Amino acid sequence: DVKVTQSSRYLVKRTGEKVFLECVQDMDHENMFWYRQDPGLGLRLIYFSYDVKMKEKGDIPEGYSVSREKKERFSLILESASTNQTSMYLCASSLTSYNEQFFGPGTRLTVL
Amino acid sequence: AQKITQTQPGMFVQEKEAVTLDCTYDTSDQSYGLFWYKQPSSGEMIFLIYQGSYDEQNATEGRYSLNFQKARKSANLVISASQLGDSAMYFCAMRGGISSGSARQLTFGSGTQLTVLP
Repeated sequence: DVKVTQSSRYLVKRTGEKVFLECVQDMDHENMFWYRQDPGLGLRLIYFSYDVKMKEKGDIPEGYSVSREKKERFSLILESASTNQTSMYLCASSLTSYNEQFFGPGTRLTVL
Repeated sequence: AQKITQTQPGMFVQEKEAVTLDCTYDTSDQSYGLFWYKQPSSGEMIFLIYQGSYDEQNATEGRYSLNFQKARKSANLVISASQLGDSAMYFCAMRGGISSGSARQLTFGSGTQLTVLP
């Protein structure tokens, strides 16, 4: 079975802190994705990557950056956390663009 | 741009009955894909079923089937014989085509919270 893991289930940070969210998949998938999920808005794509060192902006990239140095790992970085970035963050991976995405358990981030 | 609309924020169904969750989509692509995901209270998204725009048959996976009406741009999820464990949030999502530049990403609807009553 595909396994996507995220470094933390819950995280509390202060405004202005730099925050790293890590995601690892173990099935050699090409594509990896970061979403944020807010009530009533569904999932919104922040960034995705279709190859090592490649990244593309999603629908809401402002305030975020990403890093993919190895195929299995995709990191989301909040350079200076703000309270409006309090949310659930979900990582996903897929074998190709045409396959279903497999999701990690999510990280609930609270920025105080 | 792709758009997914789920107009039912919440639905209730009696155990063992069938339920239909609505999903309509908007795209100018000829080639696209439609997905349904389930999110239980634990938070993890679980893939349920996929329908390609050129698939002639409606997709089925166990108790899940997708009622795909291309002309109406709808892709409703039908769950037969509901079980208590089906209580969850359900999301419809769409992958666009290469021509629109959205082939690599999914656009999600806002979700429908399904509650199965004993």
